[in-house]
Amino acid sequence: AQTVTQSQPEMSVQEAETVTLSCTYDTSENNYYLFWYKQPPSRQMILVIRQEAYKQQNATENRFSVNFQKAAKSFSLKISDSQLGDTAMYFCAFMKYGGADGLTFGKGTHLIIQP
Amino acid sequence: DTAVSQTPKYLVTQMGNDKSIKCEQNLGHDTMYWYKQDSKKFLKIMFSYNNKELIINETVPNRFSPKSPDKAHLNLHINSLELGDSAVYFCASSRDRVSPQHFGDGTRLSIL
Repeated sequence: AQTVTQSQPEMSVQEAETVTLSCTYDTSENNYYLFWYKQPPSRQMILVIRQEAYKQQNATENRFSVNFQKAAKSFSLKISDSQLGDTAMYFCAFMKYGGADGLTFGKGTHLIIQP
Repeated sequence: DTAVSQTPKYLVTQMGNDKSIKCEQNLGHDTMYWYKQDSKKFLKIMFSYNNKELIINETVPNRFSPKSPDKAHLNLHINSLELGDSAVYFCASSRDRVSPQHFGDGTRLSIL
C-alpha cells in the first residue's frame, strides 16, 4: 500500500513571497503519478500540477512548480509570487500506474497568504 | 456548464435514514469515483467505476452501494445512516484510469 505524508499541517506567508510545501511518499512501484490538488474555502478540489514518475523534468504551471526527487520519494510544491487567492488546503496525492487504486492523499497543508 | 455535478450540495438527515447522492459528468469520461473527506479533511477513495464496471471497492461498510446506470452517472446510496457517516462526499471523473481526475463540488452530509 502507498502512503503520502505532508509534514506541515499549516503554513503562513506574506503576499508575494515564495513558499514551498513538502510531500514525501512511500511506494514499491516504479511507475506512478503524483499530483497537487488545491481546496479553497469553497470546497472545490482543483488540480494544480501533475508529475509522471518516469519524467525527470520537473513539472511547472505558471507560478507553481514541483521539485520531484524520485530516489528520495519527495515531491514538494513551490508557489512563487504568492497571492491572496492561493489561500487554501493543499493536498499531495499519489496514483499507481494504471490507476488501479485511485488517488492516495496526504493529510493536507493549510496555506494562509497574509496581505 | 458544470463538468462534474453532484446533488444535493448539502444533506441533513436523521440517523437510520436511507439517502442517495447523485453524480453526473458531461465530459465523456470513462471512469468515475467516490471519495470521502472526513472532519479532519482527510480524503479517501471509496469506489471507482470504469465504463459502468466496478474496479475499486475499498473497505467501506456494505451500507454504501454505488450504482452506475450509464457511463455519465455514478450515484451513491447509503442505508441506515450513522453518525460517523457525516462527511463531505466527492464525486470525480477521469478520461481513463490514469488521466487527472476532475472533482465535483462535494456533498456535505450531516447526520443528526
